[in-house]
Amino acid sequence: GNSVTQMEGPVTLSEEAFLTINCTYTATGYPSLFWYVQYPGEGLQLLLKATKADDKGSNKGFEATYRKETTSFHLEKGSVQVSDSAVYFCALSARGSNDYKLSFGAGTTVTVRA
Amino acid sequence: GAGVSQSPSNKVTEKGKDVELRCDPISGHTALYWYRQRLGQGLEFLIYFQGNSAPDKSGLPSDRFSAERTGESVSTLTIQRTQQEDSAVYLCASSVTGGDTEAFFGQGTRLTVV
Repeated sequence: GNSVTQMEGPVTLSEEAFLTINCTYTATGYPSLFWYVQYPGEGLQLLLKATKADDKGSNKGFEATYRKETTSFHLEKGSVQVSDSAVYFCALSARGSNDYKLSFGAGTTVTVRA
Repeated sequence: GAGVSQSPSNKVTEKGKDVELRCDPISGHTALYWYRQRLGQGLEFLIYFQGNSAPDKSGLPSDRFSAERTGESVSTLTIQRTQQEDSAVYLCASSVTGGDTEAFFGQGTRLTVV
């Protein structure tokens, strides 16, 4: 079945530091890949997505590139801010199979200190 | 409504009682998901509805759990004979067509079984 494995946290950084959260996947069909974010006290929301190999999703200074050869979708941001403190979830859904549902990783808690 | 609405936002129930959780998806969204999020953990898939197709119930943890959806509208998740391990936040999400379309999440129902 489809699954996502992401880097365990928690991750604590200082402002302006570089952030990477690793995500790898296993899927049948043609997966689309997502990063969702959950800010404190808020619901989950889509951060970015990529629907085919070599696509790069980007939003709010975050980027992730769909790497089919390494089955990865790592999230990066060059200079984090306190407001980026949140829980980040990698997710996939797979067209071309019977498994269209969104499958999520365990989440990575990121805390950015001023 | 403007977003996915879940009710109640909080529910405290005694062990052994039945509970019903409600989700109002965004109008026009054919896909609807239920997830469970235990404290400090990731999202556990429960069930997925897509239009008139048979729902994907593969994530329901036991026969005490069931869910229904009326057409492309409201969904209810029912937990019978609740147990303490059912305590969690239950999240509902909807998307236009499922698959690689963005899923919009509600704020969740926090269920506490005492």
